[in-house]
Amino acid sequence: GNSVTQMEGPVTLSEEAFLTINCTYTATGYPSLFWYVQYPGEGLQLLLKATKADDKGSNKGFEATYRKETTSFHLEKGSVQVSDSAVYFCALSSGGYNKLIFGAGTRLAVHP
Amino acid sequence: GEEVAQTPKHLVRGEGQKAKLYCAPIKGHSYVFWYQQVLKNEFKFLISFQNENVFDETGMPKERFSAKCLPNSPCSLEIQATKLEDSAVYFCASSQSGGQGLYGYTFGSGTRLTVV
Repeated sequence: GNSVTQMEGPVTLSEEAFLTINCTYTATGYPSLFWYVQYPGEGLQLLLKATKADDKGSNKGFEATYRKETTSFHLEKGSVQVSDSAVYFCALSSGGYNKLIFGAGTRLAVHP
Repeated sequence: GEEVAQTPKHLVRGEGQKAKLYCAPIKGHSYVFWYQQVLKNEFKFLISFQNENVFDETGMPKERFSAKCLPNSPCSLEIQATKLEDSAVYFCASSQSGGQGLYGYTFGSGTRLTVV
């Protein structure tokens, strides 16, 4: 079945450090891939998405590239800020309006 | 409006009581999804609708959970005879037509259910 695996957190970084959160997936067909962010006490916000192989999603300095050959969609940011502290979820959607399938989430804590 | 509206924000029920949660999707969005987020962040899919029709209910605990999306009304998720393990945040999401999440999914801010 379809599944998403994310690196375990928490990830703790100093401000301005480089961020990578790994995400790999297993899916039939050609899924769409997403990164969502959840700030404390809030719902999920779409951060970025990619709908086909080699697409790069980007938003607010975050980027992720859909790599079909490695079934990966790693999230990166060149210089994190304290305000980026949140839980990040990788997710996929496959085959029409199927449900989003989420990874377990990775908590990011950025210190000044 | 441009947001998915969930009510109430918080709900406390004694074990065995009924709980009913509501979700108003974004106008024009044909698809509605319900998710349960338990303490360790895990998101569990419950059910989805295409307009008022159930689209996928593979995640629903059939015995006590039910859901509806009726025309001109908010969608609802009802839990009969709540149990302690039902304590979670329940999120609703909606999406436009288009297939495979091309337009993304917009989430509401959730309803926190506490069963005591």
